[in-house]
Amino acid sequence: GAGVSQSPSNKVTEKGKDVELRCDPISGHTALYWYRQSLGQGLEFLIYFQGNSAPDKSGLPSDRFSAERTGGSVSTLTIQRTQQEDSAVYLCASRRTGTGELFFGEGSRLTVL
Amino acid sequence: AQSVSQHNHHVILSEAASLELGCNYSYGGTVNLFWYVQYPGQHLQLLLKYFSGDPLVKGIKGFEAEFIKSKFSFNLRKPSVQWSDTAEYFCAVYSGGGADGLTFGKGTHLIIQP
Repeated sequence: GAGVSQSPSNKVTEKGKDVELRCDPISGHTALYWYRQSLGQGLEFLIYFQGNSAPDKSGLPSDRFSAERTGGSVSTLTIQRTQQEDSAVYLCASRRTGTGELFFGEGSRLTVL
Repeated sequence: AQSVSQHNHHVILSEAASLELGCNYSYGGTVNLFWYVQYPGQHLQLLLKYFSGDPLVKGIKGFEAEFIKSKFSFNLRKPSVQWSDTAEYFCAVYSGGGADGLTFGKGTHLIIQP
């Protein structure tokens, strides 16, 4: 596609429910990142995928968070048993091969009631 | 691990004032440098980038940045800001490799008063 696509753009859920956030990166970009941005805060790194390599999960805040990337393309971030502190904008970005330039999606705003 | 430091978390300026946002990084090797901008309600987008060559790079909307290798700095500048420049600005450094090869600063929230 022309850009990084994320869905849903907004998600309101009740505490304890599971949510899935989807990211469709730019075609041909082998690197994909998930970040979390809370209100007034910077970018919190969550997870990094590079081609077929094992993902770098070092930024995931708890074992309630997981992510997968199927076929080296679409990625899904799953948050189980959501908590209010999970409320944030979840950003996905894909990286142009050979450079550090990231292309960001519009984000998925998650609100946990 | 490398780090990126943005000196000012909040900056308030009047229209037509000059702007300089500081960015320093810790990695001693070859780097790619970026400034991203996030306008209110919009997604992060690239403002400008440095890979090699002329250390003074120009980006969109009249912004420029200067790479000073000896100071490990990549400060963002604009001679005369506009109200529409109100946004969050992030500096980023890429040194290659895995996830820790790409590091963002904590961001600077810029408010331009009309």
